[in-house]
Amino acid sequence: NAGVTQTPKFRILKIGQSMTLQCTQDMNHNYMYWYRQDPGMGLKLIYYSVGAGITDKGEVPNGYNVSRSTTEDFPLRLELAAPSQTSVYFCASSINTEAFFGQGTRLTVV
Amino acid sequence: GEDVEQSLFLSVREGDSSVINCTYTDSSSTYLYWYKQEPGAGLQLLTYIFSNMDMKQDQRLTVLLNKKDKHLSLRIADTQTGDSAIYFCAAGEASGTYKYIFGTGTRLKVLA
Repeated sequence: NAGVTQTPKFRILKIGQSMTLQCTQDMNHNYMYWYRQDPGMGLKLIYYSVGAGITDKGEVPNGYNVSRSTTEDFPLRLELAAPSQTSVYFCASSINTEAFFGQGTRLTVV
Repeated sequence: GEDVEQSLFLSVREGDSSVINCTYTDSSSTYLYWYKQEPGAGLQLLTYIFSNMDMKQDQRLTVLLNKKDKHLSLRIADTQTGDSAIYFCAAGEASGTYKYIFGTGTRLKVLA
């Protein structure tokens, strides 16, 4: 039972570098989400997708981009990393009422 | 937009009941959720309640919803050390996109 798989688990980036956080799910869910979790804070929605080819901004989209070319994959792109993007990133998928979360990617920008 | 608030910490003794509270602002939220996060892990769905329900019980877990006051609570009976974790309340938006707005999380510490 793979569920939602995120890679990498940890990453250190230098300011100005770019990277892609990978997320894939094997449950054939239409809905997928990217959240970030800052210390002592709840999860904030970055981007979401209601199906392949459809994406939309969440609460905190600045500095990020996404694409959804297949039902399974929903990568999150950081183009010019900034220290404010140091966070734990969670990908999730859902079919209706229940969301399934990945294990998270801990990103540090120095 | 929706805002979800929780207290940050709760400490209880093993065997006691824990009650974690949450308030939300958008009365049109269709579903209200409780998630558990253990250290270094993702979020695990514990239970959820439809907005037209007052209470839901699932083994040691009881969820109470006061829709008038927009107040949600999670009661854990016979709390164990394995229940130590962060508990997130989340409100599901009714727009059909199933977006979730999360609270800040309540860190539950169970003392042996």
